[in-house]
Amino acid sequence: AQKVTQAQTEISVVEKEDVTLDCVYETRDTTYYLFWYKQPPSGELVFLIRRNSFDEQNEISGRYSWNFQKSTSSFNFTITASQVVDSAVYFCALSEANTDKLIFGTGTRLQVFP
Amino acid sequence: AAGVIQSPRHLIKEKRETATLKCYPISRHDTVYWYQQGPGQDPQFLISFYEKMQSDKGSIPDRFSAQQFSDYHSELNMSSLELGDSALYFCASSSSLAGTYEQYFGPGTRLTVT
Repeated sequence: AQKVTQAQTEISVVEKEDVTLDCVYETRDTTYYLFWYKQPPSGELVFLIRRNSFDEQNEISGRYSWNFQKSTSSFNFTITASQVVDSAVYFCALSEANTDKLIFGTGTRLQVFP
Repeated sequence: AAGVIQSPRHLIKEKRETATLKCYPISRHDTVYWYQQGPGQDPQFLISFYEKMQSDKGSIPDRFSAQQFSDYHSELNMSSLELGDSALYFCASSSSLAGTYEQYFGPGTRLTVT
């Protein structure tokens, strides 16, 4: 069965702190895709990154970095030097090769205080 | 480039009424997805279309139907509305040619059923 777990319901940090959002997934497929989306208070879902199951390279994009580890079925997301504008709900999602649907985790609400 | 367009952005209906939500995908995207996000919940996949054919189906109630038209826009039709249908409805689009499986979401339609 497919499942995405984001155990952290809410995280609060002060600006400039680093923060890591955890994501653990379950799937029986060998080919799958992992995603992170950001949902700011305005409500839209903003695509951040996609990783396929064959690519375990970590990725850095500005203050964002992602750590994909198949051995622990985790795809964690780190924000370095957090800013108030990073305040949002962050969703981790999974899709398998033969299906269109994204399976979302329950999301982590990040609040960054000035 | 223009993103996914959804209309209307807000909709208020009474119980047992019908509603039609529209989605215009990103240019050259051939696949459209619909998701429902209840208050404080993660998005749930409803249905998807590729080249005007239904490609995958999730937890879409029988009261709902959808289709994709020749210009690739899609409509979600909802009948006999219930209070529990109040939610944010997202449309997303992707390009099969790109082969990246990245779904880009529209701003959502907030449906309130009274």
